[in-house]
Amino acid sequence: KAGVTQTPRYLIKTRGQQVTLSCSPISGHRSVSWYQQTPGQGLQFLFEYFSETQRNKGNFPGRFSGRQFSNSRSEMNVSTLELGDSALYLCASSLGPGSKNEQFFGPGTRLTVL
Amino acid sequence: AQKVTQAQTEISVVEKEDVTLDCVYETRDTTYYLFWYKQPPSGELVFLIRRNSFDEQNEISGRYSWNFQKSTSSFNFTITASQVVDSAVYFCALRVSGSARQLTFGSGTQLTVLP
Repeated sequence: KAGVTQTPRYLIKTRGQQVTLSCSPISGHRSVSWYQQTPGQGLQFLFEYFSETQRNKGNFPGRFSGRQFSNSRSEMNVSTLELGDSALYLCASSLGPGSKNEQFFGPGTRLTVL
Repeated sequence: AQKVTQAQTEISVVEKEDVTLDCVYETRDTTYYLFWYKQPPSGELVFLIRRNSFDEQNEISGRYSWNFQKSTSSFNFTITASQVVDSAVYFCALRVSGSARQLTFGSGTQLTVLP
């Protein structure tokens, strides 16, 4: 079974631009969560989607948004990029939103904002 | 609010030594799940284990073992006879039931196993 895939793996943008990251969950998994990892703040939860609906949201500004499609694939968008948005963005998939479900992570997209 | 503390920022051991990674958590919920993940240099978080708050039984899987103690709110991870391939950052994480289902991660422990 293929794991979680994320595209692109690396991205370089400049301040003020916007970016879209994509995540394809493991086949059969319907819940997708996004996390941001930075050296200063560590791993922080962004949002969770299940059945095309945002179920949970972390403490991030409105510039960070996401969506989920009917095939469970998810995208996250960051508008008006700031230098501090440089990070590794990790996507995780699980069977459903239940707390006991293991989340399996993708390789991440490393975003650099210049 | 939930909190996970991994006090050890970096640990360095020589191959074949045993090493224990500490994890202390805080939550007011009675139902919660604890996880350990490994992050090699490639960046992908690799799931290692999940325990629920009602199961304090320790677990052993090959060279890995986990010690869950609710009395001290700790969920420690031991690698026996460490190998160079164990070098990675290890994260402990907590998730509670209910609306706040996201994983709360500790700051991670960088483990370096020297040959």
